[in-house]
Formats: sequence, structure tokens, C-alpha cells
Amino acid sequence: DAKTTQPPSMDCAEGRAANLPCNHSTISGNEYVYWYRQIHSQGPQYIIHGLKNNETNEMASLIITEDRKSSTLILPHATLRDTAVYYCIVRVALSEGGADGLTFGKGTHLIIQP
Amino acid sequence: KAGVTQTPRYLIKTRGQQVTLSCSPISGHRSVSWYQQTPGQGLQFLFEYFSETQRNKGNFPGRFSGRQFSNSRSEMNVSTLELGDSALYLCASSSAVGHNEQFFGPGTRLTVL
Repeated sequence: DAKTTQPPSMDCAEGRAANLPCNHSTISGNEYVYWYRQIHSQGPQYIIHGLKNNETNEMASLIITEDRKSSTLILPHATLRDTAVYYCIVRVALSEGGADGLTFGKGTHLIIQP
Repeated sequence: KAGVTQTPRYLIKTRGQQVTLSCSPISGHRSVSWYQQTPGQGLQFLFEYFSETQRNKGNFPGRFSGRQFSNSRSEMNVSTLELGDSALYLCASSSAVGHNEQFFGPGTRLTVL
């Protein structure tokens, strides 16, 4: 799996968009970008994933640069409940043999300020 | 649809004892993975079970073992507990082996005294 780099912490005001960056400069052509988050004392929660096109779901948007070396997770209207550690993970898809467990780095601790 | 459930939620054991943790996956999910989370090492993959067979294993000693039943429920066992085994043990289920969209349970907080 490609290595990812994320800032250790970020602050964002409640109601504003939270933009969480992730650098994955060694990503391979068949690797996807996955985002999870972990709210304190809970299990991680899947948010979104993408290969090269921008993706959006009810939780967030994922913007992947054209060279795929970095991406940004966007929470459009952050609330206090979005305070959590956000993990960016790069992996091959299931069908191509990604089967040794998710590798979680240290992630970004996002703190939403009231 | 009910989420992943883990029992017990909290557990206190002493060194040398053994412990069994239980996980019930989301209905219809046949893959169950186990992870250990500690402040020092973060989230680490233990093993994955699919169709009652261990498919993958992380870098943990043989004291850590698991099994999966025909209804996809899974248990993990840790024998000869050490202080360093104190951690949050998380179970995740997915629809297929090695699937990257995994649904995690709330975890079991194990404290070894």
C-alpha cells in the first residue's frame, strides 16, 4: 500500500467547510484513496473512496488531483459531531488482491470549534 | 439493518489469564476482521476470517487466535495475557474478503492488570 501523509491536527469553525488534505505521492495506478474517521471511543467509520474522479456522498466530497498524488476530503458544513480523527488510506481494490487488512496511519485530528 | 456488535464492551483481566471476545457482523456479511488499537501503535490488523477460514493474519504472536462460525459470528482469543495486551479490540465486517469498505463495531476495551 502506498504511504500517506496527513497533518496531525486541524481546527475548523462550526458551519464552515473542513478541508482535510492527504499526500500520497507514491500511489500506483490501481490504488484507490479511502477515507475513514474515528470519533472518540468509537470504531472507525467508512466515509468515502475514489480512484481518480471526484466523488461525493451524503457525508463528504473527495477531490483527487489530476496526477493523483494528493487528495482532499471536504466536509461541507462541519458540525461539532464531526470532531474526530480522519484517516486517509491508499489501497488496491478487492479484486486485485488487497486482503491484508487496512493500514491506518496516525490520521488528522479535526477539531470543530463552536 | 443492525450494525456490528461486540461483547463484552469492557473487560478487566490479570496477567497470565486468557480472554475471549465476540463479534457479530452485519447480517449478510461473511468477512470479519479484527484490529488492535493502542495509543502507542495505533490501529493494527490482527486477522481476517471468511467462510470460517482465516484468510489473512497480521504480525502478532501466536497467543492471538480467532475463529469464525457458520453464522459468520467470530471470536478472538488471547492467551497468557500480558500488560501490553491492554487495548481496544475492534471487529469489522464486510461483504467479501479483503474488502476495503469495512464496518466497525464499538470495540471491546481490555485492561490487563
